[in-house]
Parts: sequence; C-alpha cells; structure tokens
Amino acid sequence: DTAVSQTPKYLVTQMGNDKSIKCEQNLGHDTMYWYKQDSKKFLKIMFSYNNKELIINETVPNRFSPKSPDKAHLNLHINSLELGDSAVYFCASSPTAGELFFGEGSRLTVL
Amino acid sequence: GEDVEQSLFLSVREGDSSVINCTYTDSSSTYLYWYKQEPGAGLQLLTYIFSNMDMKQDQRLTVLLNKKDKHLSLRIADTQTGDSAIYFCAESVGGNKLTFGTGTQLKVEL
Repeated sequence: DTAVSQTPKYLVTQMGNDKSIKCEQNLGHDTMYWYKQDSKKFLKIMFSYNNKELIINETVPNRFSPKSPDKAHLNLHINSLELGDSAVYFCASSPTAGELFFGEGSRLTVL
Repeated sequence: GEDVEQSLFLSVREGDSSVINCTYTDSSSTYLYWYKQEPGAGLQLLTYIFSNMDMKQDQRLTVLLNKKDKHLSLRIADTQTGDSAIYFCAESVGGNKLTFGTGTQLKVEL
C-alpha cells in the first residue's frame, strides 16, 4: 500500500534511446510533480500537474514529455536520451503547496 | 531570485545538538519547510514554519526563522545515528511550486 510508487526503480540504457518512468499515487491528491536530482543531490522541479492539467513546466528540453491520464498517475517519457539525463527522477504528490509526498525515485543511467 | 543555499556537510557526535542553516533570497516566501532524505529514498517532510512566525518546536526539532536576514535554521536536539541523512530546506512563494535548497549532509558519529 505504497503511497507514491514509481517504476522502474533503476533504468540503464544507451544514449539515443527512448524511455518512460511511471508514477502512481493512492493518496487522493490533486497535484503531482516530477523532480530531477543530480549527482550533487541538487533537486529541481521539472513539471507539475493539477488534476490532469499542466501547471508548472520549468525550462526542460522538449525531449521530456509528461503525461497524466488521470489525477492518480503522472508518467514521464524521455526521447533521445543524453548522458546529462543521468539522474534520479522523483515523483511526488501533494494535498497543498509545500507538503510533498515523494516516491522512492527512479535512477536513470545513460551510457 | 529563488536561490536557497545551505552548507554542504555537518558532522556531530551522537547526543549533541545539530544546527542546519539555510538562507533564501525571496522575501515573499509564505511557508518554509525542512525535508529529510535518507539514502536510497525520497524526501520526507519533517516540519514547516509559516513566514509570520519566528520559531516552531516539534519534539526534538526546533525551527528558527529570521525574516529580516532571510535565514532559516533547523536544530535537532539529542542527535541520534538515525538522524544521519541529507536535510533540505525549501520555500514556497505561492502556487504549487516548491524550491529546494542545496541540501546538507548530516553525519552523526558515535
């Protein structure tokens, strides 16, 4: 009964490939996020959806495309992967701004 | 600007107090938060403070806010080995966006 679950937890792939990370929350929250954490542990917001509507879209290459089929799911698709995309990607959900519930992260390694 | 800065490392002995500091630049922040990240896990909310407060205490945790200097601190009393983690401060200016600090790695030694 994990609150925010992401799959896969680990992803190793070659440059140029396309990959997806899935996220699901069973907390009933309206807002979901994708954050990227780099090797120095710096955490930066990428996208936010509120009830399936995109509300935050930071300066992220358009190779990254989020999709929210319903308010409990937020997936992240990445095209043409680059070495610099290697990071840990965190999904989160929140009932209010600031009170975020994070998944365990998906570690992406691009070779 | 939305830069939120923290010192990178802090090492303390078990039983001592830890003080983790954070400076932010956006004076219109409404709430300020402290999150904890254990190895291999996502972040967990520890506590938060509303911008019109100076201090908040929650069991072993004390949050101090100096709005004039845009300085936030987290004090952990009687630090235990289980407190070893990365601690992030974060600010919420408005809407649904949270900006995280650079993170402080706390190491608790026996």
